[in-house]
Parts: sequence; structure tokens; C-alpha cells
Amino acid sequence: AQTVTQSQPEMSVQEAETVTLSCTYDTSENNYYLFWYKQPPSRQMILVIRQEAYKQQNATENRFSVNFQKAAKSFSLKISDSQLGDTAMYFCAFMSGVGGTSYGKLTFGQGTILTVHP
Amino acid sequence: NAGVTQTPKFQVLKTGQSMTLQCAQDMNHEYMSWYRQDPGMGLRLIHYSVGAGITDQGEVPNGYNVSRSTTEDFPLRLLSAAPSQTSVYFCASKGGLATYNEQFFGPGTRLTVL
Repeated sequence: AQTVTQSQPEMSVQEAETVTLSCTYDTSENNYYLFWYKQPPSRQMILVIRQEAYKQQNATENRFSVNFQKAAKSFSLKISDSQLGDTAMYFCAFMSGVGGTSYGKLTFGQGTILTVHP
Repeated sequence: NAGVTQTPKFQVLKTGQSMTLQCAQDMNHEYMSWYRQDPGMGLRLIHYSVGAGITDQGEVPNGYNVSRSTTEDFPLRLLSAAPSQTSVYFCASKGGLATYNEQFFGPGTRLTVL
């Protein structure tokens, strides 16, 4: 079974600065997908960024980028030019890609609460 | 499209009561799933479905029952509520065969069992 670990329960950053959230995972599979989800106080789960394990290039979405280290099984999220609206809980998640049989099942980390201060 | 809808948004039950959390999606998605969110534990998979009439257990299925009679609906039943089932419940759906297709989440139901 896969496990996902987020070792930072809480993080804080000043507005306009950069912050990095850590995530490690454990799997014996070679084909899988990794995600970062944002959960603001509204409770809605919002997909931030996605990384396919077979791609060596790190994914980027505007101010959000990842550092994917497959050998180290590490998947960190970097938020540049932090904004007050980035304040939320962030979850790292793993999905197996073996044979397409994952059926969308996600394994989540414990979450990191990020607070952006003005 | 309304996306994924869940009702109710909040619910308080007494120990031993039963209830059904409703989930519906209007995107014609094959895959639907239920997660529970507890502090310090992230979201954990309860049950999932790969199509009408097909369901299977996730990581924490005990105390919950599901069925999928239509593509659109995937209700979660609590058979005899216990305080340990106090949690926030999310329904999600995913379409298409591509594994990387995005999962869409409902707004969640906060359940308190006294």
C-alpha cells in the first residue's frame, strides 16, 4: 500500500515571498501520478497542480511549481509571490497508474496549513 | 453543470441512528468515491464505484454502506452511527479512462455523532 507523508503541520509566509511545502511518498510502483490540492476555509477541494511520474520535467502552473525527485520519492510544492488568497490547507496526494486500475483512488497526506501574512 | 453536489451540508446524529449522505454528479462520470477527512489524517477512502452496479471497499469501509443504481448518484449510508464517525465527508467523481483525469470534489458534509 502507498503512503504519503507531509511532515510540516503548519507553515507561514509573508505576502509576496516564496514558500515550499514538503511531501514524501512510498510506493513500489513505477507508473503513478502526484497531486497537490488546496482546501481553503470554504472546505472545497481545489486541484493546484499535477505531476505524471514518467515525466522528468517538473510541472508548473502560474505561481505554483513542484520539485519532483522520483528516486528520493519527494514531491514538494513551491508557491512564489504568495498571496493572501493562498491561505489554506494543502494536501499532497498519490494515485496509482498501474494498468489504469486506480479508478481515481487517491491516497492523501496529512495536510499542511499555510498562512500568508500581510 | 452543477458538478458534484452533496446533501446535507451539516448533520447532527445521535449514536445508533442511521442516515444517508447524498451525492450526485451531472458530468456523466464513471468513477465516484467517498472520503472522510479527520484532523491530522488527511482524507481517507471509504468506498468507491467504477460504474452503475459496481462498488468496492476503500481503506476505511466499516460502518458504511454504498450502492450505485445510476451513473449520477452514489449515496453513502451510515448503518448505526458512532461517535468515531464524526468527520467531514467528501464525494468525488472522475471521468474517462485516463488515470490522470482530474477528480472533482463535492462541497463536503460535516457530520457530528453525539
